[in-house]
Amino acid sequence: AQTVTQSQPEMSVQEAETVTLSCTYDTSESNYYLFWYKQPPSRQMILVIRQEAYKQQNATENRFSVNFQKAAKSFSLKISDSQLGDTAMYFCAFIQGAQKLVFGQGTRLTINP
Amino acid sequence: ETGVTQSPTHLIKTRGQQVTLRCSSQSGHNTVSWYQQALGQGPQFIFQYYREEENGRGNFPPRFSGLQFPNYSSELNVNALELDDSALYLCASSWPGQGAYNEQFFGPGTRLTVL
Repeated sequence: AQTVTQSQPEMSVQEAETVTLSCTYDTSESNYYLFWYKQPPSRQMILVIRQEAYKQQNATENRFSVNFQKAAKSFSLKISDSQLGDTAMYFCAFIQGAQKLVFGQGTRLTINP
Repeated sequence: ETGVTQSPTHLIKTRGQQVTLRCSSQSGHNTVSWYQQALGQGPQFIFQYYREEENGRGNFPPRFSGLQFPNYSSELNVNALELDDSALYLCASSWPGQGAYNEQFFGPGTRLTVL
């Protein structure tokens, strides 16, 4: 079974600090995709960053970057220069094929002024 | 380009009733997936519709059913509502392309409360 685990239910940092959210997953597949989604209080699920498993280079999107360790099945998200607008629930997710996204339990991130 | 929309925004029902939730997919998308997100949890896959046919189902009972229409909009129907059905229901649309990945674009969700 494919599972995604986020071991940090809540995190809190000061504005402008760097924060890293952890995620591990389990799959027997070799070709898949990993994602980090952000869900602010508005509830809209927003894609932050994605990583293709066959690419060794870690994905980067502006202040957001990932550390993808395929052998360890680890996929952490680093947010640099954190901003108040980064406050949200963050979900790690996995997909293999066109069907279902498998989500972790989420990490509630609070950026304090 | 119009994004994914869902209606209603909020809904309150009583146990045993039936409910229909609606989703309009993003322009050009012919695939719709539904997810249930209980409070404080990650979304769980309910099912997916592709060109009006069910194309995969998660671990949900048959009282969860769906439809997709020729314009690719979709409905999620839940019969015999139970208290545990209280959740945020998310719809996501996508366009199947080449390769193993089809980005899913999410709507704002419908918050269902069962009393």
